[in-house]
Amino acid sequence: EVQLVESGGGLVQPGGSLRLSCAASGFTFSSYWMHWVRQAPGKGLVWVSRINSDGSSTSYADSVKGRFTISRDNAKNTLYLQMNSLRAEDTAVYYCARAEYGGGPYFDYWGQGTLVTVSS
Amino acid sequence: SYVLTQPPSVSVAPGKTARITCGGNNIGSKSVHWYQQKPGQAPVLVIYYDSDRPSGIPERFSGSNSGNTATLTISRVEAGDEADYYCQVWDSSSDHPNYVFGTGTKVTVL
Repeated sequence: EVQLVESGGGLVQPGGSLRLSCAASGFTFSSYWMHWVRQAPGKGLVWVSRINSDGSSTSYADSVKGRFTISRDNAKNTLYLQMNSLRAEDTAVYYCARAEYGGGPYFDYWGQGTLVTVSS
Repeated sequence: SYVLTQPPSVSVAPGKTARITCGGNNIGSKSVHWYQQKPGQAPVLVIYYDSDRPSGIPERFSGSNSGNTATLTISRVEAGDEADYYCQVWDSSSDHPNYVFGTGTKVTVL
């Protein structure tokens, strides 16, 4: 059974940092591109970042570029999101998601999410 | 950037059919995927590649895509179908490819 379990969320002050983790199991983690998607309270889904299967290629939404860093440790089956210079507008539930690529990428498995609150 | 527009809400009686639209410029040329999200839960994939269903998703869920509109259809709606639904595409048309979600539609079962 595919499982994605996020951790690391919490309350942080504006300008602070936080590192999210996503522990994967039930599939060959090193074979899949992985993503972070966030959802502000009461709002819709917004793509944040993605990393390819071996970690050599990354991409970011403009809203987080230069502040967030996605990475992975395939030996530990874990995905990370390092978030620096956090702003109030980064407050959201952050989901990690596994992507399938073929005719057009989609997210076939999601974690339960971890809440990040940026507030003084 | 590419925009996907969905109606904010759709109401449907049990046993009837709900249709949720997702509008985008020439969306028929893209692969559209749909997610269901119940309150307090993570999204769940219900349709991929316009009309394919993942294992475990009831046949009551179907999809179509043509022109400027993609549609998710839920037949014989049940109370358990009450949720938010999001469409999603990958937009490679700009110089910054992006994974785009629709604005979301809240389905209410009357």
